[in-house]
Amino acid sequence: DAGVIQSPRHEVTEMGQEVTLRCKPISGHNSLFWYRQTMMRGLELLIYFNNNVPIDDSGMPEDRFSAKMPNASFSTLKIQPSEPRDSAVYFCASWASGSGEQFFGPGTRLTVL
Amino acid sequence: DQQVKQNSPSLSVQEGRISILNCDYTNSMFDYFLWYKKYPAEGPTFLISISSIKDKNEDGRFTVFLNKSAKHLSLHIVPSQPGDSAVYFCAASGHSGAGSYQLTFGKGTKLSVIP
Repeated sequence: DAGVIQSPRHEVTEMGQEVTLRCKPISGHNSLFWYRQTMMRGLELLIYFNNNVPIDDSGMPEDRFSAKMPNASFSTLKIQPSEPRDSAVYFCASWASGSGEQFFGPGTRLTVL
Repeated sequence: DQQVKQNSPSLSVQEGRISILNCDYTNSMFDYFLWYKKYPAEGPTFLISISSIKDKNEDGRFTVFLNKSAKHLSLHIVPSQPGDSAVYFCAASGHSGAGSYQLTFGKGTKLSVIP
């Protein structure tokens, strides 16, 4: 099992540009979570999906952030336009019904100049 | 308002000694607690968990203790090894109506085990 796959691993972009982060959850997992990690706020939940449906997006900081899950094996987190304060590590995690823990991907380190 | 708090940002322990990492929570609805370990440039990995119906869970060198009345849990690592050096996150969840466990994380404690 390949685990949760995220791409790219690193992204450097300029302020105002659009950024798209990608995630492939573990096959058979029916929930997917997007987190952001910063020094100030730690690991914070941005949005999560259950069976491809967004359930709670209250953690999405602004309208500049959007997330989609078009099918059970793919999700995107988009930031448009990006700002320097969006610089962080973004993690995707997936969870299988009946399991206790979420499984995390390796993260995408985003730097907005 | 942080619902899960890890008040020690860092901890240094000598190899072979016990490491104790602490976590406090405020939400009485939390009924499942987890510890994750994170190495640099990697995602967090699950370490150990405990349900609110228990007060202790042990897995090898790792033991988690839960004190519900104090809303406090701790992770004990005995004996500590240099490979345990990592950031440890405490997380808590309460079952949501959607059938998915939403985790709330603390900010983490960086453990350094000195050889």
